[in-house]
Amino acid sequence: DAKTTQPNSMESNEEEPVHLPCNHSTISGTDYIHWYRQLPSQGPEYVIHGLTSNVNNRMASLAIAEDRKSSTLILHRATLRDAAVYYCILREGGGADGLTFGKGTHLIIQP
Amino acid sequence: DGGITQSPKYLFRKEGQNVTLSCEQNLNHDAMYWYRQDPGQGLRLIYYSQIVNDFQKGDIAEGYSVSREKKESFPLTVTSAQKNPTAFYLCASSIGLLAGETQYFGPGTRLLVL
Repeated sequence: DAKTTQPNSMESNEEEPVHLPCNHSTISGTDYIHWYRQLPSQGPEYVIHGLTSNVNNRMASLAIAEDRKSSTLILHRATLRDAAVYYCILREGGGADGLTFGKGTHLIIQP
Repeated sequence: DGGITQSPKYLFRKEGQNVTLSCEQNLNHDAMYWYRQDPGQGLRLIYYSQIVNDFQKGDIAEGYSVSREKKESFPLTVTSAQKNPTAFYLCASSIGLLAGETQYFGPGTRLLVL
């Protein structure tokens, strides 16, 4: 799987929007962009995924650059429950096994 | 409620002992996975299974074994050959192995060596 680069940590205030960046300059045309998050001592939780177009769901929005070499996860109004490690993951469209997790971004939410 | 259950939550292993971690899902998913997570690190794939009676090695399969006799169950055995088994183990499932499919994770089992 192609690699992703994320900041180690980010900090935001409660009730403000959060933009989590991810770089994936070696992405191939059929790779899906997935985001998962993990709270301490829990299993990862699916957040959102996309291929080319921007995506919205009840949890977040995913903005994908036109050249697909980067993407941004947007939490529209952060709460304390959004404090977690966020993983940006590429999954090969041509044939996939598991997910390849990096170290992710540790999101800290200040009250 | 549909989901994935893992048991036990904590497991202690003595030197030279094999231990088995349980993973059950009632989501009617064909694909199941086992991951290992070390402190401060991301998850690494141990084994995955696309269908009953079939499974494939992941990136770190040495010292582990699995079976897939039923669609709902995918137990992981940590053998004595795994020299550094202390970690957080996570089981997941998905409808299939297509790249656009979501994986659903269980709550994890924390394995500690006595």
